[in-house]
Amino acid sequence: NAGVTQTPKFQVLKTGQSMTLQCAQDMNHEYMSWYRQDPGMGLRLIHYSVGAGITDQGEVPNGYNVSRSTTEDFPLRLLSAAPSQTSVYFCASSYGPYSNQPQHFGDGTRLSIL
Amino acid sequence: EDQVTQSPEALRLQEGESSSLNCSYTVSGLRGLFWYRQDPGKGPEFLFTLYSAGEEKEKERLKATLTKKESFLHITAPKPEDSATYLCAVQAVTGNQFYFGTGTSLTVIP
Repeated sequence: NAGVTQTPKFQVLKTGQSMTLQCAQDMNHEYMSWYRQDPGMGLRLIHYSVGAGITDQGEVPNGYNVSRSTTEDFPLRLLSAAPSQTSVYFCASSYGPYSNQPQHFGDGTRLSIL
Repeated sequence: EDQVTQSPEALRLQEGESSSLNCSYTVSGLRGLFWYRQDPGKGPEFLFTLYSAGEEKEKERLKATLTKKESFLHITAPKPEDSATYLCAVQAVTGNQFYFGTGTSLTVIP
């Protein structure tokens, strides 16, 4: 079982560059979300989606874009990378947003912005 | 505002020394409280879901309990392989987001 797959695992960018973090799940989950994890801050929600074609902002959306064209994929785009976006990014998925079921996480993308 | 606070931030135990981790929450109606384990360089791994006050769940040396304002993760006779960061998250009935605490870093010394 693949579960939630994130690519790449590591990435170094220069300030101002753009890139897309990929996330795919094979569990037919409706709900997908992106978090960033920083020391002492816990997991903070960037964007989430309750189904294909539907996305919404979380706690820290600035500088990031998302789209959800299929149930399986939920890419996160950094438009113009800034050093403050250096972090570990996690993608998660679960059954429908009101299902009270737990989220399943990928192993993260470690991103450094120079 | 929905909030989750975990304590202590860090805990060092001798192997076999039982203890508890705390997760206090403020939420406008609890849909579910979730415990996760996170190992270095990995994503959070789901452990338990609790839905209502008085509920308890067990798995090996771990036991999670829930009251109306907090949850405890009890670790009985821990082993070094239990060393990890333990995260707590809540989901409110009024929304579709999950709110995470900052975690407790547990180290079990042989």
